Amino acid sequence: DQQVKQNSPSLSVQEGRISILNCDYTNSMFDYFLWYKKYPAEGPTFLISISSIKDKNEDGRFTVFLNKSAKHLSLHIVPSQPGDSAVYFCAASLFTGNQFYFGTGTSLTVIP
Amino acid sequence: GAGVSQSPSNKVTEKGKDVELRCDPISGHTALYWYRQSLGQGLEFLIYFQGNSAPDKSGLPSDRFSAERTGGSVSTLTIQRTQQEDSAVYLCASRSTRFKTQYFGPGTRLLVL
Repeated sequence: DQQVKQNSPSLSVQEGRISILNCDYTNSMFDYFLWYKKYPAEGPTFLISISSIKDKNEDGRFTVFLNKSAKHLSLHIVPSQPGDSAVYFCAASLFTGNQFYFGTGTSLTVIP
Repeated sequence: GAGVSQSPSNKVTEKGKDVELRCDPISGHTALYWYRQSLGQGLEFLIYFQGNSAPDKSGLPSDRFSAERTGGSVSTLTIQRTQQEDSAVYLCASRSTRFKTQYFGPGTRLLVL
């Protein structure tokens, strides 16, 4: 049973505009969330994380928002750049836990 | 750069053969994970090693899958009697105990014919 879901398999955005990637989870015990970015033929690389004591975390062009009541998080990329074109995975875990649950990924294409 | 390395990068094998996949984690990282990504799927947790503790094998899909970690460093994932449904990218990740961020290797692409 998929505990972390990314319902949009793909997204296309014009360069310079905002990209919004969404992620939903079912386990209310999750309290730590991460976003990873994956280029073809490479392993995922860590992008940004957020713990459940926050509702927003920002790092440069990347901002993650967490809505615990809706069990929803989103990644905003502003402004989007062609180099951002990749597959983005969200992941969740218990802060004290060791196992991570990944979504199926959203393929982002930023059109120049 | 001392990132996570995996070998081989690609492996083609015949159904029924055994394969071994290797992972070299980042030096000093005590935690090591194996994941599998099948076509169109997310990352599926397979197994987790932490220091000298017994591994968490709860994600291994069948008893054909096994993994070991020697000396708290290098890990080998073994798939016996491979099946076509084992075809996937096998990813290894490591992290320090202190932080939650995992660092992934480039993966091994396994194709079972």
